[in-house]
Amino acid sequence: QLQLQESGPGLVEPSETLSLTCTVSGGSISSKSYYWGWVRQSPGRGLEWIGTMCYSERTDYNPSLKTRVTISGDTSKNQFSLKLTFVTAADTAVYYCVRADSGDSGGFFNYWGQGTLVTVS
Amino acid sequence: DIQMTQSPSTLSASVGDRVTITCRASQSISSWLAWYQQIPGQAPKLLIYQASSLESGVPPRFSGSGSGTEFTLTISSLRPQDAAVYYCQQYSSYSLLTFGGGTKVEIK
Repeated sequence: QLQLQESGPGLVEPSETLSLTCTVSGGSISSKSYYWGWVRQSPGRGLEWIGTMCYSERTDYNPSLKTRVTISGDTSKNQFSLKLTFVTAADTAVYYCVRADSGDSGGFFNYWGQGTLVTVS
Repeated sequence: DIQMTQSPSTLSASVGDRVTITCRASQSISSWLAWYQQIPGQAPKLLIYQASSLESGVPPRFSGSGSGTEFTLTISSLRPQDAAVYYCQQYSSYSLLTFGGGTKVEIK
């Protein structure tokens, strides 16, 4: 059974970089069959897709965040990470790591981590 | 951007009622639409993909329909455990995935 677990600081200062890691068990991030990514949820903005990567194939980012976001993978640890630079209070949210099927009919998220709250203050 | 608009934003219904939630896309997304259920304090859970395909393990009282720009999620007979927020999501392009604003379903 696939499991995703987010980890990282729960508090980040304004203008600093938010860094989160998702540890994957029960599946491999190097599989070309899946996209791995991040979705966040804040009271004011609902669910917001941040970006997804298919390891060594492609990475896509939300255009509204593209200049500040990097998603990358570490196959040796079977983890992928999120870095969001120059954060403001508007980046305060619960951050979820997610998995989607790749391919022509993929793009929906069938696995989610439990989520981690990050507060910018 | 493809905007996703859900209606209503909140609905209140009784156990056993048939409930319908609508999601409209700002442009055609064919059938590339998913529905999620989020119970308070939990992560969203996939219910429906490709507009009408039921995710494994999801009760058959949930169903989805539609194509193009208009979609519906129907709960045929509302149960107390269905109290949640429901979201639609379009995935017509991997380069921009967007969610609807959510519909809160309350039990009378």
